[in-house]
Amino acid sequence: RKEVEQDPGPFNVPEGATVAFNCTYSNSASQSFFWYRQDCRKEPKLLMSVYSSGNEDGRFTAQLNRASQYISLLIRDSKLSDSATYLCAVNIEGGADGLTFGKGTHLIIQP
Amino acid sequence: DGGITQSPKYLFRKEGQNVTLSCEQNLNHDAMYWYRQDPGQGLRLIYYSQIVNDFQKGDIAEGYSVSREKKESFPLTVTSAQKNPTAFYLCASSDRGLATEAFFGQGTRLTVV
Repeated sequence: RKEVEQDPGPFNVPEGATVAFNCTYSNSASQSFFWYRQDCRKEPKLLMSVYSSGNEDGRFTAQLNRASQYISLLIRDSKLSDSATYLCAVNIEGGADGLTFGKGTHLIIQP
Repeated sequence: DGGITQSPKYLFRKEGQNVTLSCEQNLNHDAMYWYRQDPGQGLRLIYYSQIVNDFQKGDIAEGYSVSREKKESFPLTVTSAQKNPTAFYLCASSDRGLATEAFFGQGTRLTVV
């Protein structure tokens, strides 16, 4: 059974700090990886895709470690508006059933 | 604007009733999905469809049914056989292919009264 695991948190972080959290996946055939952001009582929205070479979008950096089977998300200079739940999602090779999601990591940025 | 539309946003159901949740997309995506989310939980896959007139059960299909008569539409029926239907239901779509992300509708919050 494919599984995606995340620390549920909450992570309480002061504004301006850097925060990072990981997501581990059990299926080595996983091929594509994403981070989604979900605000309370809203739908998940794509934050960024995760490439083998890693990728950066402003204050956000995502990395993939295939050897240890995890992806990470780093948020620099955190803002109050970054408070949300961050879901990781993976798709396995040949998987027609779409993405498998972790349960999410709850992040709270404190003023 | 292209996107996924779910309706209604809130739905109340009496015990023993069937209800149908609507999901429409104009993104020209082949694949569509239904997920259920309970408080503090992740998304669990109910049903998915990769192509018109074909759909497959996900991890928690019992008590649910779907149809895919049109590419744009993937309605979900919550039947009376679903014993604990109160949840947040999310519809998503994606291009067929491995490295494609899913896009979500705004969700339907179903409550049994």
